Amino acid sequence: DTEVTQTPKHLVMGMTNKKSLKCEQHMGHRAMYWYKQKAKKPPELMFVYSYEKLSINESVPSRFSPECPNSSLLNLHLHALQPEDSALYLCASSHPLGQKYFGPGTRLTVT
Amino acid sequence: DAKTTQPNSMESNEEEPVHLPCNHSTISGTDYIHWYRQLPSQGPEYVIHGLTSNVNNRMASLAIAEDRKSSTLILHRATLRDAAVYYCILGGTSYGKLTFGQGTILTVHP
Repeated sequence: DTEVTQTPKHLVMGMTNKKSLKCEQHMGHRAMYWYKQKAKKPPELMFVYSYEKLSINESVPSRFSPECPNSSLLNLHLHALQPEDSALYLCASSHPLGQKYFGPGTRLTVT
Repeated sequence: DAKTTQPNSMESNEEEPVHLPCNHSTISGTDYIHWYRQLPSQGPEYVIHGLTSNVNNRMASLAIAEDRKSSTLILHRATLRDAAVYYCILGGTSYGKLTFGQGTILTVHP
């Protein structure tokens, strides 16, 4: 199984809402990533977790809060987002030899 | 992060070979060259990676210049399903980060 799953596929939220994105992999990978992708732009790295610990935060605003409850699961908690945060949010996991496996993404719209 | 330069777009005909170039003149000795592609409405997909020697897998071949300042991704027979954005990325292996550049939009004509 080389699949990374993400839920939900689509999410619409207001600026005062709190929501969470979920990512799951069962490949035994010990590094997981969150990326943000705006339309017609390349993915931008947000966070990296390695062995369930946050190892890289690319200066992401605190309204995005990542969490890695166990080695298979990665969450991204969202609170007080702005319309400009609307984007495709991609999760990935990394094989020890370096290949990254990406999920299909969650398309987020902030109204 | 070392930078890569790719053409904005390329076109090919179906069943013909495609050579996608990438320049990386500031590559360090420990940087691997990774290629990913992103099909429309999908997450990026790993294609191939290498360090110094040319590499082949079922999807593509990677030709690396002797001085490592450039590389070429080769799709041996393009299909319509190969139409995607192709990203050339420098980085380590294992659990390192992947920083995407602008990529090359490949259009395949029937």
